[in-house]
Amino acid sequence: DAGVIQSPRHEVTEMGQEVTLRCKPISGHDYLFWYRQTMMRGLELLIYFNNNVPIDDSGMPEDRFSAKMPNASFSTLKIQPSEPRDSAVYFCASSQRETQYFGPGTRLLVL
Amino acid sequence: AQSVTQPDIHITVSEGASLELRCNYSYGATPYLFWYVQSPGQGLQLLLKYFSGDTLVQGIKGFEAEFKRSQSSFNLRKPSVHWSDAAEYFCAVGSGNTPLVFGKGTRLSVIA
Repeated sequence: DAGVIQSPRHEVTEMGQEVTLRCKPISGHDYLFWYRQTMMRGLELLIYFNNNVPIDDSGMPEDRFSAKMPNASFSTLKIQPSEPRDSAVYFCASSQRETQYFGPGTRLLVL
Repeated sequence: AQSVTQPDIHITVSEGASLELRCNYSYGATPYLFWYVQSPGQGLQLLLKYFSGDTLVQGIKGFEAEFKRSQSSFNLRKPSVHWSDAAEYFCAVGSGNTPLVFGKGTRLSVIA
């Protein structure tokens, strides 16, 4: 299996622009997680899905953040409008049972 | 509250020396424990995990970890470190298919 796939790997944008991060989980996995990694706060959960349904989005920082999972093989995390404090590495992970497998991450820089 | 503490922010060891990275957790339910490694600019790779059974678990790249319930610890060890082990190491706790709670990480440097 190709593992969890994320795109883009790097994104540089200007404040106020819309950013869309994409994730393709491992085939057959029914859980999908979005995490954010920053120097100050470490790795934090943003939202997670089970069978394409959002289960817990309490980690989503503001209404500027939204996530969708239209089918079992695709999820998006959108930031609109983006702000410099959103600069971070965003990871997607998927699992079938107890073990989460992580994608390579998207490094986002908002200028 | 669920939490993971990795008391060492940065550790430097000589190549060939032994290594122990500390991890303590606080978790209300039966913990599922994990160690992940992150090389610079890369994602998180699973090193090993503990769910139940034998408290000494073996992982990839020659790593092992021991679960000690009485100490709420899950320390990572390696008998002989290689230069390629230089990376950041994260301990995490969860319970089944729940989000993981991560420690702040320990950065490992390896010197010749």
